[in-house]
Amino acid sequence: GQNIDQPTEMTATEGAIVQINCTYQTSGFNGLFWYQQHAGEAPTFLSYNVLDGLEEKGRFSSFLSRSKGYSYLLLKELQMKDSASYLCAVTDSNYQLIWGAGTKLIIKP
Amino acid sequence: IAGITQAPTSQILAAGRRMTLRCTQDMRHNAMYWYRQDLGLGLRLIHYSNTAGTTGKGEVPDGYSVSRANTDDFPLTLASAVPSQTSVYFCASSDSAGTGELFFGEGSRLTVL
Repeated sequence: GQNIDQPTEMTATEGAIVQINCTYQTSGFNGLFWYQQHAGEAPTFLSYNVLDGLEEKGRFSSFLSRSKGYSYLLLKELQMKDSASYLCAVTDSNYQLIWGAGTKLIIKP
Repeated sequence: IAGITQAPTSQILAAGRRMTLRCTQDMRHNAMYWYRQDLGLGLRLIHYSNTAGTTGKGEVPDGYSVSRANTDDFPLTLASAVPSQTSVYFCASSDSAGTGELFFGEGSRLTVL
């Protein structure tokens, strides 16, 4: 079966750095997405990785290793507004998105 | 403002009633999707449409139907609602099925009693 694993919940301190991991087992691979979802709101796009390596976008970076079926989202200089759920999703060989259950990130002052 | 509009934003419905959730996008995206999101579970795909005139079944299609008569509109119908269909429903679109960024509507919170 197809599977995306992420930690259920993480806690970090304002101003710190946090890494949210995502491992996947899918039938084929055509890219990996990270989305941010604040409570009660719709998900919004953060990043897309299709090749191995690190993609940096401001305070957020996303890393992909296709051989290991592994990605992480790195958030630097954490702010209170970063408190949200972070969703990992993989596009399989049929170009269907497979979603993880999301990681709830709690930021403490 | 370009984007996706869903209606209604919230609805309480008696079991057995028919309900249609509306979704309209003005970005001329080819692909559109309906997801449900339940606590502790990831987004689950109900139905999708890669282009106007075509639709496909997702992971949890039972009890739901969709149509895609034109590019902009993608309504989701519950023919006879059941309590297990209580959920938050998100409509989304992308310009490229599977590899394009998804743009989501604000969601429709449906409660079936």
